[in-house]
Amino acid sequence: GENVEQHPSTLSVQEGDSAVIKCTYSDSASNYFPWYKQELGKRPQLIIDIRSNVGEKKDQRIAVTLNKTAKHFSLHITETQPEDSAVYFCAASTPGGGSYIPTFGRGTSLIVHP
Amino acid sequence: NAGVTQTPKFRVLKTGQSMTLLCAQDMNHEYMYWYRQDPGMGLRLIHYSVGEGITAKGEVPDGYNVSRLKKQNFLLGLESAAPSQTSVYFCASSYSVPPYGYTFGSGTRLTVV
Repeated sequence: GENVEQHPSTLSVQEGDSAVIKCTYSDSASNYFPWYKQELGKRPQLIIDIRSNVGEKKDQRIAVTLNKTAKHFSLHITETQPEDSAVYFCAASTPGGGSYIPTFGRGTSLIVHP
Repeated sequence: NAGVTQTPKFRVLKTGQSMTLLCAQDMNHEYMYWYRQDPGMGLRLIHYSVGEGITAKGEVPDGYNVSRLKKQNFLLGLESAAPSQTSVYFCASSYSVPPYGYTFGSGTRLTVV
């Protein structure tokens, strides 16, 4: 099955800096890569996603890049703000039996210091 | 539009007791899922459903059962609770193919003593 590795497990930055979280996946058939943000005590929420036919996608201060050859994808957050502090999860969806059940990374705790 | 609603939000069980967690969605999603979240372990899939009456095992199914009698509801049952089942449980739903992101419920914090 699919295996998703997420690094780093903890990331501490100063407000205004950029933050990058990287995930690698093992199954070359994976074709959908969402990112979720989970604030303390809250539910995970989808913040951005990318499909395998696209190399990069941006939404204001966040962007995701995908390198299918190397089987890795990254979340980029620019001009970080304290409200960006949260746990971020990546996931990779692999088609199997007609369903696309994603495999999640273990999460990155991002701390943005004012 | 409520999205995905989970009940209860908190529960304390004694070892050996049983309980059912209810997940309801009003978005007409085909797929529904139950995850557990433990510190440092991320989100682990317990069971999922790709349609009414169709369920399948995920990564950590032991000790749990599920049912999806109606498209909008997905129930997670613990027949005989164990302390190892102390966790936060999240339900989620999504459209089917092509793959789409999840909408999560607000979670159920379960403690088994």
